[in-house]
Amino acid sequence: EVQLVESGGGLVKPGGSLRLSCSASGFYFGAYSMNWVRHTPGKGLEWVSSISNSGSYIYYADSVKSRFTISRDNAKNSLYLQMNSLTVADTAVYYCARVREAGLLNSFDMWGQGTMVNVSS
Amino acid sequence: DIQMTQSPSTLSATVGDRVTITCRASRSISSWLAWYQYKPGKAPKLLISEASNLETGVPSRFSGSGSGTEFTLTINSLQPDDFATYFCQQYDSYFRTFGQGTKVEIK
Repeated sequence: EVQLVESGGGLVKPGGSLRLSCSASGFYFGAYSMNWVRHTPGKGLEWVSSISNSGSYIYYADSVKSRFTISRDNAKNSLYLQMNSLTVADTAVYYCARVREAGLLNSFDMWGQGTMVNVSS
Repeated sequence: DIQMTQSPSTLSATVGDRVTITCRASRSISSWLAWYQYKPGKAPKLLISEASNLETGVPSRFSGSGSGTEFTLTINSLQPDDFATYFCQQYDSYFRTFGQGTKVEIK
């Protein structure tokens, strides 16, 4: 089955760290650029970070730059998001999403079910 | 960053209505615009890419149009499954941005 499955979310205190994982199956993971996107009821969907298929090109939203690190392991069909210095504003459901077709600049045609990150004291 | 502005924020409609959602970009993005449907607890679903290209499997009652800075998503004959929140997204820039969303609710 073609799918993305996120894991690693949970409750963390402000200033803490968390590492999210996204496991891909049913397609050739190494051919696709990937992204992390988060959703909150108040702000809606917010793009967080992108990584090219080889990992050579990486982009971050200003809101997470210098705190979050995206990475991937194509041999393990996995995408990661290391989140440091977390704040209450980072509380959201985090989704991994695949870029449609080759390249970085395209829509997101496959999404996981999401993992909840709750930053609270 | 490119700002995306959707209107309205909320739309009340009944089954069978034709609804239109507008998305405006702060600068031209050519046709590099996607529309997604979002339901709480579910994965967002890609409906339309390149402003007007319907994804495989998406009902033909959905359509998209526009280019440059102004875009629309139209749902003809709204169905019960269509009550959801819809987001536009630009991918002209590597720094993607979404609109704030339009919630289509039951009138």
